[in-house]
Amino acid sequence: IAGITQAPTSQILAAGRRMTLRCTQDMRHNAMYWYRQDLGLGLRLIHYSNTAGTTGKGEVPDGYSVSRANTDDFPLTLASAVPSQTSVYFCASSDSTGEGDEQFFGPGTRLTVL
Amino acid sequence: GQNIDQPTEMTATEGAIVQINCTYQTSGFNGLFWYQQHAGEAPTFLSYNVLDGLEEKGRFSSFLSRSKGYSYLLLKELQMKDSASYLCAVMDSNYQLIWGAGTKLIIKP
Repeated sequence: IAGITQAPTSQILAAGRRMTLRCTQDMRHNAMYWYRQDLGLGLRLIHYSNTAGTTGKGEVPDGYSVSRANTDDFPLTLASAVPSQTSVYFCASSDSTGEGDEQFFGPGTRLTVL
Repeated sequence: GQNIDQPTEMTATEGAIVQINCTYQTSGFNGLFWYQQHAGEAPTFLSYNVLDGLEEKGRFSSFLSRSKGYSYLLLKELQMKDSASYLCAVMDSNYQLIWGAGTKLIIKP
């Protein structure tokens, strides 16, 4: 593994189903993030984690949950998917949360909720 | 509220120069980032500015004026592979990135 990986690459999901998007990084970065990207809108932060064992809510957290049991993994769970959660989801990581720390992005998961 | 504004789309000619502007209003400022995103791919880091002035990195330069809440990305000697979306993002007082919607740059031969 090099960098950040996400799985699945794409998924079609029935409304009401539970879904977990996986994210793993091998850079030993402390901070990790989940964003969604929708046409015409900027990336919007869903949840973040500044370090293993801690998580925080971003701009659009409703309907999503995360956990950070270790440094490498940061799964995002949709408890009961709704069509408005159709989006491209990007996981990202950074060495820390300080000034100037660039974020590295995974390849994304394209999710369609029907 | 927090707001990042960029043009939605720009067109330029191969070999030319293009300037992509970004204006922002955020709660606090801890730097401004530019990312490049090719269609269907992840954003990748281009530049970071925290002090006023111009930062040059090869064919790409980024400028910041904190007093005006303004930045631009300058791309020189445009190549077809520069066709992509360019995302402006500001790090706010909570050290979280606030993202613009991106500028789609179309390069014509």
